[in-house]
Amino acid sequence: QLQLQESGPGLVKPSETLSLTCTVSGGSISSSSYFWGWIRQPPGKGLEWIGNIYYSGSTFYNPSLKSRVTISVDTSKNQFSLKVTSVTAADTAMYYCARQIRTGSSKYYFDYWGQGTLLTVSS
Amino acid sequence: QTVVTQEPSFSVSPGGTVTLTCGLSSGSVSTSYYPSWYQQTPGQPPRTLIYSTNTRSSGVPDRFSGSILGNKAALTITGAQADDESDYYCVLYMGSGISLFGGGTKLTVL
Repeated sequence: QLQLQESGPGLVKPSETLSLTCTVSGGSISSSSYFWGWIRQPPGKGLEWIGNIYYSGSTFYNPSLKSRVTISVDTSKNQFSLKVTSVTAADTAMYYCARQIRTGSSKYYFDYWGQGTLLTVSS
Repeated sequence: QTVVTQEPSFSVSPGGTVTLTCGLSSGSVSTSYYPSWYQQTPGQPPRTLIYSTNTRSSGVPDRFSGSILGNKAALTITGAQADDESDYYCVLYMGSGISLFGGGTKLTVL
């Protein structure tokens, strides 16, 4: 059974860089069938797609966040990571990692999700 | 910038039928957007309900169905149950590797 597990510092100061990692177990991140994505949810608000990465390193970002976001992949560790620069209180959210199907007649949906990690931006 | 629209809230009686929709601020939703639907209860990650417009994910009851209605994607719950009270989100694939979530619909069953 595929599992995704987010990890991160929990607390980041304003103007600093947020760094999170998603560890994939029970399957390989180096599959041509999937994208690996980050989604966030501020407290009491809706879900927001941040971006995806393909195992080759190709990235796709939400235009509203693109200038501050970098997603990277480490296939040797079966992990992918998120960095968000110049954070503010508005970046306080539950951050989820998820797998997105990218091939076949039925695609572009998220089929496996991590449990999420809460990231708070505060001094 | 394109926005994916959903009703902020909806109410349904137990046993009733409700249709939630997912539209675009500009343009029509078609199957080419590969609409998918997710259910989220407090404190939990989203659960995949429907993908590629109308395919139910494994284990999802058949009272959940997806379709295109007019210019929107739709999620219909037939015979609503108390534990269907949740937040529901749609996702549309916009092309070029970009996916967008709708703002979500809070469904109340009462």
